[in-house]
Amino acid sequence: EAGVAQSPRYKIIEKRQSVAFWCNPISGHATLYWYQQILGQGPKLLIQFQNNGVVDDSQLPKDRFSAERLKGVDSTLKIQPAKLEDSAVYLCASSLDLKPIRDEQFFGPGTRLTVL
Amino acid sequence: AQSVSQHNHHVILSEAASLELGCNYSYGGTVNLFWYVQYPGQHLQLLLKYFSGDPLVKGIKGFEAEFIKSKFSFNLRKPSVQWSDTAEYFCAVILTSGTYKYIFGTGTRLKVLA
Repeated sequence: EAGVAQSPRYKIIEKRQSVAFWCNPISGHATLYWYQQILGQGPKLLIQFQNNGVVDDSQLPKDRFSAERLKGVDSTLKIQPAKLEDSAVYLCASSLDLKPIRDEQFFGPGTRLTVL
Repeated sequence: AQSVSQHNHHVILSEAASLELGCNYSYGGTVNLFWYVQYPGQHLQLLLKYFSGDPLVKGIKGFEAEFIKSKFSFNLRKPSVQWSDTAEYFCAVILTSGTYKYIFGTGTRLKVLA
């Protein structure tokens, strides 16, 4: 079974530039998550999709971050414009069920973003 | 607001020592509980999970965790660690109502000396 794919793996940009990350979840997984993990902290949920609908985006800085999951499959997360404090690893995860209260999350390798 | 606390940020042990990592959560409702592990250079992966029943759950690689509802705790244990257990360990809870949001702790970085 193929895992969660993410690209790029690393990205360095200057502040005020824009950046986009891509995630392809495990085939058939209904729920997709984007997390931000700042060095020394645990993953913080940014947005959660069930199929292509947003379930929770309460911690997404909507003035600069956006995300979509077209056709309920792969997803993109965009930052525009980036700030220094956005430097972090961005993790994508997926789980099988629409109501994943017992589901394991499968994580991708992450994208390490450095904002200079 | 709901939160998950992991009190030990860094732990250093010698091989064969016993391990206990603390995890406490703040939420008055029902939660399901997880421990995830991230080995160096690898993805986060599930170590074990608890939903209901016997509060002592066993996971992979000899790990176990005990849910103590009265203390809002879900501590991870292993009787005898190995060098290969060097990793970062994350406790997580999922709220069983509403949006089923996952909340992760800040993680504990374990180093096992050979």
